[in-house]
Amino acid sequence: ETGVTQTPRHLVMGMTNKKSLKCEQHLGHNAMYWYKQSAKKPLELMFVYNFKEQTENNSVPSRFSPECPNSSHLFLHLHTLQPEDSALYLCASSQRPTNTEAFFGQGTRLTVV
Amino acid sequence: KQEVTQIPAALSVPEGENLVLNCSFTDSAIYNLQWFRQDPGKGLTSLLLIQSSQREQTSGRLNASLDKSSGRSTLYIAASQPGDSATYLCAVRPGSGTASKLTFGTGTRLQVTL
Repeated sequence: ETGVTQTPRHLVMGMTNKKSLKCEQHLGHNAMYWYKQSAKKPLELMFVYNFKEQTENNSVPSRFSPECPNSSHLFLHLHTLQPEDSALYLCASSQRPTNTEAFFGQGTRLTVV
Repeated sequence: KQEVTQIPAALSVPEGENLVLNCSFTDSAIYNLQWFRQDPGKGLTSLLLIQSSQREQTSGRLNASLDKSSGRSTLYIAASQPGDSATYLCAVRPGSGTASKLTFGTGTRLQVTL
């Protein structure tokens, strides 16, 4: 257990569906992140939140909408996704966004059909 | 743009062998470097974090070194065990600009056989 919990672990959704991914960290960290891991590609940073404020959006399409209601919870709302959005979505947290160790959740395996 | 390369992409060794995984990065202006382990279909587990001012870090059978000027890091695993089988990822954090952005390599998939 890394102290970062993601739900659901697996999700299959149609292109017209709306779903949300949830991440919760129990480490008292202030920064939270969403990463995307596609087959045979390096992990890609999507969003960074620091003290609930979004500090980075790595040119992510608007069909992905993050929400950070507090420093312990992070959501990724999904709507009208494409099959190429199928991937492992990983949440991470760290004490600060800069020089501290990042801890990752187990990920949500998303399949868009 | 920072690029991280890991060689080899895959490695198979018999149990008990010592092994070295390599990571290289193109921009030496990094804040720190982190090694992770990822089991199939799972999340990442942090193994070691090396700050830019450090030369190496050790945890149990793992030793990671950093040569920032040459853009290289190695992860040494001593006396490998079947339970070490996983994909090993290195990631660097830039020393300026978007310091929150970890740039990952594509990983080395390690299999330790009995």
